[in-house]
Amino acid sequence: SQQGEEDPQALSIQEGENATMNCSYKTSINNLQWYRQNSGRGLVHLILIRSNEREKHSGRLRVTLDTSKKSSSLLITASRAADTASYFCATARNSGYSTLTFGKGTMLLVSP
Amino acid sequence: SAVISQKPSRDICQRGTSLTIQCQVDSQVTMMFWYRQQPGQSLTLIATANQGSEATYESGFVIDKFPISRPNLTFSTLTVSNMSPEDSSIYLCSVGEGAISSGNSPLHFGNGTRLTVT
Repeated sequence: SQQGEEDPQALSIQEGENATMNCSYKTSINNLQWYRQNSGRGLVHLILIRSNEREKHSGRLRVTLDTSKKSSSLLITASRAADTASYFCATARNSGYSTLTFGKGTMLLVSP
Repeated sequence: SAVISQKPSRDICQRGTSLTIQCQVDSQVTMMFWYRQQPGQSLTLIATANQGSEATYESGFVIDKFPISRPNLTFSTLTVSNMSPEDSSIYLCSVGEGAISSGNSPLHFGNGTRLTVT
């Protein structure tokens, strides 16, 4: 069954603005990851947040995790045209061998 | 992080034919993962390829349709057999970090194979 569900499905903003994407999931997780996919290419890992963490930063990225609400958010600050891509959350259910379950993604368009 | 080379990058194939996709990693990894991404959709895991054993297929995917080889720790192939237009997708191979992939490690992806079946 689909684990992660992102919203919005699509987001259009101007350069310099912040972009916020949300992800909800259904079952307990060990960690949640965010990936970026530029058009027609492979996915690039952005950030991993563990279930015992609430917030994590990496450059212009800020990820939060609320396990009580089974939700996460990805904030991109001061967006650039190069941030235009699809963003996916993915959940890992346990700490041992596990496969990731990907959400449906948010398509972000950043206009100059 | 691992560098993954996948080929072909794209192909247009006729119905009923088969296509083999190759995935080469620049380091040894225990598990390699094959995903399918249908147009405008998310990624769905097809199977996990372990070196020295049969691949493990996810629900809805069978070996006859998607045979996988894993001859060594740096290489794998996925064949899409007896293709139909419904098989038109991006196929992606991926690996975890380090020799053993776990749910705690990010995945690294190849650039994918865009397959169009006419």
